[in-house]
Amino acid sequence: QVQLVESGGGVVQPGKSLRLSCTTSGFIFKKFGINWVRQAPGKGLEWVAVISYDGSSTYYADSVKGRFTISRDNSKNTVFLQMSSLKAEDTALYYCANDGAHGDYLGHWGQGTPVTVSS
Amino acid sequence: DVVMTQSPDSLAVSLGERATITCKSSQTLLYRSNNKNYLAWYQQRPGQPPTLLFYWASTRESGVPDRFTASGAGTDFTLTISSLQTEDVAVYYCQQYYETPRTFGQGTKVEIK
Repeated sequence: QVQLVESGGGVVQPGKSLRLSCTTSGFIFKKFGINWVRQAPGKGLEWVAVISYDGSSTYYADSVKGRFTISRDNSKNTVFLQMSSLKAEDTALYYCANDGAHGDYLGHWGQGTPVTVSS
Repeated sequence: DVVMTQSPDSLAVSLGERATITCKSSQTLLYRSNNKNYLAWYQQRPGQPPTLLFYWASTRESGVPDRFTASGAGTDFTLTISSLQTEDVAVYYCQQYYETPRTFGQGTKVEIK
């Protein structure tokens, strides 16, 4: 079955960096775009970034543009989110999700990895 | 950016009764070249990640019970639960994938009355 497993979360000081990973299985990874979505404690969902199936295109939310970088390694079925210049407002549970089988909706989601930005 | 607005923010419905959630987008989500509405619905149960319910505004994802229906076009969309069950207690989100950023509505919390 389709699985997406996030890792790399933790507690980090403001201004520092962190890299999240999303390791996948159960689908043809190189054919699907992958997204990151975050959810601050007690809040709603915020789409963060997407990378196309081949890595040639990336898009970001304005709130993270210039600070976060999404990338992928199709040989390892893994997507990364490099987060730099972290702020307190980046504190959230970070989910990865693949694009749907028939369009750019979010087909399958991981369980999430928590990121806390605090001094 | 496309702004997605859901209403209500929360609702309490008796078991077996109907629950209706609306979602409005600040611009059309209908792509005329393929006549498809780029709107999805997700369910997030307490303590769980979201799961896909519908895409293309009204196409039910495999495994979603048929008491869930979705409709709408352009800028106005609806999610209906025809007969609320205990397992339907969740927050429901609409999301547009017409353009990036792929924005979500603020969510609607559904509870049992």
